[in-house]
Amino acid sequence: DVKVTQSSRYLVKRTGEKVFLECVQDMDHENMFWYRQDPGLGLRLIYFSYDVKMKEKGDIPEGYSVSREKKERFSLILESASTNQTSMYLCASSGSGNILTGELFFGEGSRLTVL
Amino acid sequence: GDSVTQMEGPVTLSEEAFLTINCTYTATGYPSLFWYVQYPGEGLQLLLKATKADDKGSNKGFEATYRKETTSFHLEKGSVQVSDSAVYFCAPGFQKLVFGTGTRLLVSP
Repeated sequence: DVKVTQSSRYLVKRTGEKVFLECVQDMDHENMFWYRQDPGLGLRLIYFSYDVKMKEKGDIPEGYSVSREKKERFSLILESASTNQTSMYLCASSGSGNILTGELFFGEGSRLTVL
Repeated sequence: GDSVTQMEGPVTLSEEAFLTINCTYTATGYPSLFWYVQYPGEGLQLLLKATKADDKGSNKGFEATYRKETTSFHLEKGSVQVSDSAVYFCAPGFQKLVFGTGTRLLVSP
């Protein structure tokens, strides 16, 4: 079974802490994505990556950074967490070539609460 | 940029009722179109897709037709079940998918 695994389902952090959200996929996919999901706003793209060591900003990159040192792993980093980053974070991956020909595979999500 | 508008929920139906969830989009060109579903406590999963005009995507009794003239991709099902209760997301996309806000469907027995 294909799988996207997010390291933590639930996290509680303090304002100003550095937060790492890890995502691993076992499908040898080139493309990986980080979204956040908020009520009434749907999914918004934070960052994505088409290849190892490559990253591109999505629609809401402010306050976030990412790392893709290995093909299977895509990390989302909150350098200094703030309360407005309390959200559900979803990682996804897709196969090579044109994203449009395939589907996104999502992890189960990481619910982050920043106090 | 690309954008998508979905009907607001929740949509509340009785079992075996007919379902329509409206989705319209704006985009330059002709994107592929997707419907994703999120069951309670789970991640999103692809429900169906259509990659060109007049294509009909279908899966699990759900259907949606790519309407280029009206830039729409409405989701339909003839007879919903309690197990269809979930949040449904419409998503047009080129290099990256743009998701709608989601429509929660609640089906009662």
